[in-house]
Amino acid sequence: AQTVTQSQPEMSVQEAETVTLSCTYDTSENNYYLFWYKQPPSRQMILVIRQEAYKQQNATENRFSVNFQKAAKSFSLKISDSQLGDTAMYFCAFSLATGNQFYFGTGTSLTVIP
Amino acid sequence: GAGVSQSPSNKVTEKGKDVELRCDPISGHTALYWYRQSLGQGLEFLIYFQGNSAPDKSGLPSDRFSAERTGGSVSTLTIQRTQQEDSAVYLCASSFNRGANEQYFGPGTRLTVT
Repeated sequence: AQTVTQSQPEMSVQEAETVTLSCTYDTSENNYYLFWYKQPPSRQMILVIRQEAYKQQNATENRFSVNFQKAAKSFSLKISDSQLGDTAMYFCAFSLATGNQFYFGTGTSLTVIP
Repeated sequence: GAGVSQSPSNKVTEKGKDVELRCDPISGHTALYWYRQSLGQGLEFLIYFQGNSAPDKSGLPSDRFSAERTGGSVSTLTIQRTQQEDSAVYLCASSFNRGANEQYFGPGTRLTVT
């Protein structure tokens, strides 16, 4: 079975600072994908970043980057130069390349403080 | 282009009534997912449709829950004899194919059972 764990229910960061959100997962499979989704108060889930497990290079998208440690089954999200609009719930998710389901963590509520 | 749409955005119903929630996926997306998000929780997988294949219903919590996808496009999630524990946000997502691909989420339907 696949599981995703986010151990930080709530976090806060000062505007313009850097914050890292943690995610660990468990799987016996080798070919999978990892995602970070953002859910602002509007409820609209938006993809932040995606990582293929077969790629060693960490994915980056502007101010967002990941630290993917396959052996440790860790997939953390780093947000640089935090902005007020980054305030949201952040969900880590996992899917098998050949599977149907996405597995989501319980989320981290991030507040950016002006 | 148009994103995933869901209707209604909010639904209040009395315990014991049936409700239907609708999802319009992105045109051309063959995969469609339903999730339930209870307050302060992550996303709970309910059901998955892929093209004309039999749906993966493994996440449906009880036989009061059912879903259809007509013509490979619009989907309806039906909850019969609603209970107070059914109160949650119901999210629909679609993707091109499955697994590896990003899911695009709708804004969700907030269901309140009184």
